[in-house]
Amino acid sequence: QQPVQSPQAVILREGEDAVINCSSSKALYSVHWYRQKHGEAPVFLMILLKGGEQKGHEKISASFNEKKQQSSLYLTASQLSYSGTYFCGTEGPNAGGTSYGKLTFGQGTILTVHP
Amino acid sequence: DGGITQSPKYLFRKEGQNVTLSCEQNLNHDAMYWYRQDPGQGLRLIYYSQIVNDFQKGDIAEGYSVSREKKESFPLTVTSAQKNPTAFYLCASRAGRVSSPLHFGNGTRLTVT
Repeated sequence: QQPVQSPQAVILREGEDAVINCSSSKALYSVHWYRQKHGEAPVFLMILLKGGEQKGHEKISASFNEKKQQSSLYLTASQLSYSGTYFCGTEGPNAGGTSYGKLTFGQGTILTVHP
Repeated sequence: DGGITQSPKYLFRKEGQNVTLSCEQNLNHDAMYWYRQDPGQGLRLIYYSQIVNDFQKGDIAEGYSVSREKKESFPLTVTSAQKNPTAFYLCASRAGRVSSPLHFGNGTRLTVT
């Protein structure tokens, strides 16, 4: 049920790029991306709705391929503040098949950015 | 300021006791969620509720119970039937649209000995 994220961990130098992937075995309405710093609550980054759109927020962007049920998060020119654990959350039809609601998360990708 | 409040931040209980974790939101959100976080396992969905007086089981509901009597409140009870209750518990809420993001509380760390 949980989406699968890869890689499990990434280590970067400041200024380097990274890609985090999220894959689901089920049809999806949407994909969410969040970042969590140690000991804190997850913080929302972006949502992608089915339709294959790509979104961006400064140097962080994401894509969603609904046919493959996959999403990727792109971090370019990484900064120290990008360090944390990144989670993708996926939402598909509930048991009745008619509405949204069940939002499940992957196991997370730990991103560490060094000076 | 609007937000989600979880209390307490740290909770200690003896094995065999039921314990209730509080979650209150003043964002006027329709949907509320409970997640459990263990190292290396991400966020696992326990229960969620899209409307008052209705809730659905998530992926790991066994040993937990919830109620949704008011829109702003979604308490989680960890029962003695939960075999490994020590974990970090996160509550979240969202508006009633598929395009709405989750807003998380700061979590409750439960330790059962």
